[in-house]
Amino acid sequence: EVQLVESGGGLVQPGGSLRLSCAASGFTLRNYDMHWVRQGTGKGLEWVSAVGTADDPYYSGSVKGRFTISRDNAKNSVYLQMNSLRAEDTGLYFCARALYRGTTLFDYWGQGTRVTVSS
Amino acid sequence: EIVMTQSPATLSVSPGERATLSCRASQTVSSKVVWFQQKPGQAPRLLIYGADTRATGIPARFSGSGSGTEFTLTISSLQSEDFAVYYCQQYYTWPPGDSFGQGTKLEIK
Repeated sequence: EVQLVESGGGLVQPGGSLRLSCAASGFTLRNYDMHWVRQGTGKGLEWVSAVGTADDPYYSGSVKGRFTISRDNAKNSVYLQMNSLRAEDTGLYFCARALYRGTTLFDYWGQGTRVTVSS
Repeated sequence: EIVMTQSPATLSVSPGERATLSCRASQTVSSKVVWFQQKPGQAPRLLIYGADTRATGIPARFSGSGSGTEFTLTISSLQSEDFAVYYCQQYYTWPPGDSFGQGTKLEIK
């Protein structure tokens, strides 16, 4: 059974940092692009970042230069290092698996980890 | 940037009735559209991909149609567990950017 479990969220002050983790199981992580998607409270979904099977990273314009995505296939994990956090980064962060490389066709999502940026 | 617009924002339907949800793309996305369902506190669940292909384990009462810029999700006979928020999303563009519709809340009438 495919499972994605996010962790690492919490309360942080503006300008602070957090590192999110996504633990993957039930499939061979190295064969899939992995993504982070966030959802502000009461808001819609926003794509944040992706890491391809060749460790190629992609970022939305709103997080580029502040967030860094990475993966460790040996540990079956994907990470999102978030620096210089802003209030608008607050939300529920989901890890998602792309069914096909080079697409945002997400076939599995985690339950999310909550990030709150506030003083 | 391709903008996905869903309508209506809220749809009130009685159990057992049919629900029709719409999604429009600002430019063609071929058939590269998914629909998924989200309930409070739960992970999004993939329902339809390729505009009309049901994902594994999705009941036959869910169907998708459309291509180009106009897409529809139909739920033929609403069950209590179907009341949720539904999103459409395009996967035509790469690298990714804004790809999600804003959602349609399906509520009990």
